[in-house]
Amino acid sequence: AIQMTQSPSSLSASVGDRVTITCRASQGIRNDLGWYQQKPGKAPKLLIYAASSLQSGVPSRFSGSGSGTDFTLTISSLQPEDFATYYCLQDYNYPGTFGQGTKVEIK
Amino acid sequence: EVQLVQSGAEVKKPGESLRISCKGSGYSFTSYWISWVRQMPGKGLEWMGRIDPSDSYTNYSPSFQGHVTISADKSISTAYLQWSSLKASDIAMYYCARHRFPGYSGYQFDYWGQGTLVTVSS
Repeated sequence: AIQMTQSPSSLSASVGDRVTITCRASQGIRNDLGWYQQKPGKAPKLLIYAASSLQSGVPSRFSGSGSGTDFTLTISSLQPEDFATYYCLQDYNYPGTFGQGTKVEIK
Repeated sequence: EVQLVQSGAEVKKPGESLRISCKGSGYSFTSYWISWVRQMPGKGLEWMGRIDPSDSYTNYSPSFQGHVTISADKSISTAYLQWSSLKASDIAMYYCARHRFPGYSGYQFDYWGQGTLVTVSS
């Protein structure tokens, strides 16, 4: 199975900061990657699919980039409601595999 | 409005059987694959398996093959996840999720259920 490695595992940031989370695949996955946000006690929410396409209804401060093995989720100006855990998920082949998550906390 | 509504929390003893459910509404249930995702306490997300509700074709992660069974009843727009003999290691939140577009079996999910917490304790 393809291994997905996220970094960092956690970060502290302030409202208004630009935040970047990376996800690295153990082999090339084209652009077959999505990003999810999960708040405590809630189901995950799809933010980005196909590495850089914004899911309907998701604020434009979220963006994704990358292809092959290296991917990035960027929050351009962190808002209070963005404090959560973020996961990448590879969609390239069976079985789908998630990264271990990145927890974004308030500084 | 698309919704996936899961059955309520369960408390079971080791060795007992269990089936949890996920009812879809607001869309054509047979047009979209459904997956199940596990989240153990304080841990990350793990894809377990998927089903095509139109014909009940299923596909499991190797990590879960043989440990759980996924099924669906298209007449009532409901998918199921079941265990024949629960273990303490099955304690987790379980989510169902709809695949992103009709006929798509890949691993991107646009709607999720609210989760079902399964507790196993003697």
